[in-house]
Amino acid sequence: AQSVTQLGSHVSVSEGALVLLRCNYSSSVPPYLFWYVQYPNQGLQLLLKYTTGATLVKGINGFEAEFKKSETSFHLTKPSAHMSDAAEYFCAVQSPPGGYNKLIFGAGTRLAVHP
Amino acid sequence: GAVVSQHPSWVICKSGTSVKIECRSLDFQATTMFWYRQFPKKSLMLMATSNEGSKATYEQGVEKDKFLINHASLTLSTLTVTSAHPEDSSFYICSASGPTNPYEQYFGPGTRLTVT
Repeated sequence: AQSVTQLGSHVSVSEGALVLLRCNYSSSVPPYLFWYVQYPNQGLQLLLKYTTGATLVKGINGFEAEFKKSETSFHLTKPSAHMSDAAEYFCAVQSPPGGYNKLIFGAGTRLAVHP
Repeated sequence: GAVVSQHPSWVICKSGTSVKIECRSLDFQATTMFWYRQFPKKSLMLMATSNEGSKATYEQGVEKDKFLINHASLTLSTLTVTSAHPEDSSFYICSASGPTNPYEQYFGPGTRLTVT
């Protein structure tokens, strides 16, 4: 069965500092991987995704993530945090047997950015 | 493109009543729609998957008679919480995918349900 583990339910960084949100997945077959952001009382917005090809993917708002098969990881990074980055971040995986349309979400990481 | 709306954005209902939540794909045909439930400060839990014109597939532990899902057209799916109770209070989020990129889901803004 597929699963996603996000290390750290809360991460706090200073404005301008590096953001690193960790995600490890479990899948018996090559997965599709996603990072979503959720602001309070809103739905999810796609930050970036990995399906095939280049393992370093760039997304919106300056975020990027690298798929590392050997480490079964898909960590999200941003070189310099902005106050507006404060939100909840979810890593998600898609893979059979659910089919390439069923998303399994991690527990989420709340990012706080302080001045 | 790929906009999904939900209505209402929030609703308060009395215990024992039923409430319907709509999910619409505004600019694409949603061949598959998904309904999620999110508890406070928790992750999203998939409740069911529905394909247009077919019965919804419910996840284990989700009561199909409690949470009625209808996907009657390629742009509309509805979730009806029947005989609602306070424990049904939650944030309900729908998503939709289309035939072009069936693996990519586009999420609605969510509906906050409070049952008193």
